[in-house]
Amino acid sequence: AQKITQTQPGMFVQEKEAVTLDCTYDTSDQSYGLFWYKQPSSGEMIFLIYQGSYDEQNATEGRYSLNFQKARKSANLVISASQLGDSAMYFCAMREGTSGTYKYIFGTGTRLKVLA
Amino acid sequence: ETGVTQTPRHLVMGMTNKKSLKCEQHLGHNAMYWYKQSAKKPLELMFVYSLEERVENNSVPSRFSPECPNSSHLFLHLHTLQPEDSALYLCASSQDPSGGAGETQYFGPGTRLLVL
Repeated sequence: AQKITQTQPGMFVQEKEAVTLDCTYDTSDQSYGLFWYKQPSSGEMIFLIYQGSYDEQNATEGRYSLNFQKARKSANLVISASQLGDSAMYFCAMREGTSGTYKYIFGTGTRLKVLA
Repeated sequence: ETGVTQTPRHLVMGMTNKKSLKCEQHLGHNAMYWYKQSAKKPLELMFVYSLEERVENNSVPSRFSPECPNSSHLFLHLHTLQPEDSALYLCASSQDPSGGAGETQYFGPGTRLLVL
């Protein structure tokens, strides 16, 4: 079974609109971390936002927010006021395990295209 | 330079060649990682070094040999590779592998490898 599932291989959004990228995860750990990364065509993975499993509030970083629904095991990324520069691949990732035995698992990604 | 740098950015090699990928981080982090990214597949964690000791090796073939001489540098030595090893190889670093937001990984731009 996949640990990180991103069901949207591709998404389109109009410039200045908001968009939600879906991510569900599967773990039996109580302590884990969830991440979103952006990968432009240049290849570099750019860290966007982090959510800890014990964090009670949804993480926010500028135009990015993470809609964390622990019971549903979902960690959707919301990008508000989309910009043309937001066009890229977006990866959801999870860190599980304990210190010294951490595993980082990535989803297959969602390709976002922002339309002018 | 700042962040995580990788050289070379592009590499073409034959199956009998020996080459090395280099990663350098300028963030004062104490953990470094090698990932392989193949087309349409999730990111695969290959190796993890924490405080210059290897703590993770995800059953990577021996034709890939990592080296971490200090906390700022990480190498991936390649020999007798196969065409299916062609991929984007990403290096990452993090501050503290013991949990929390501190273990957020910061990635380099990657080396795009083609094995002929």
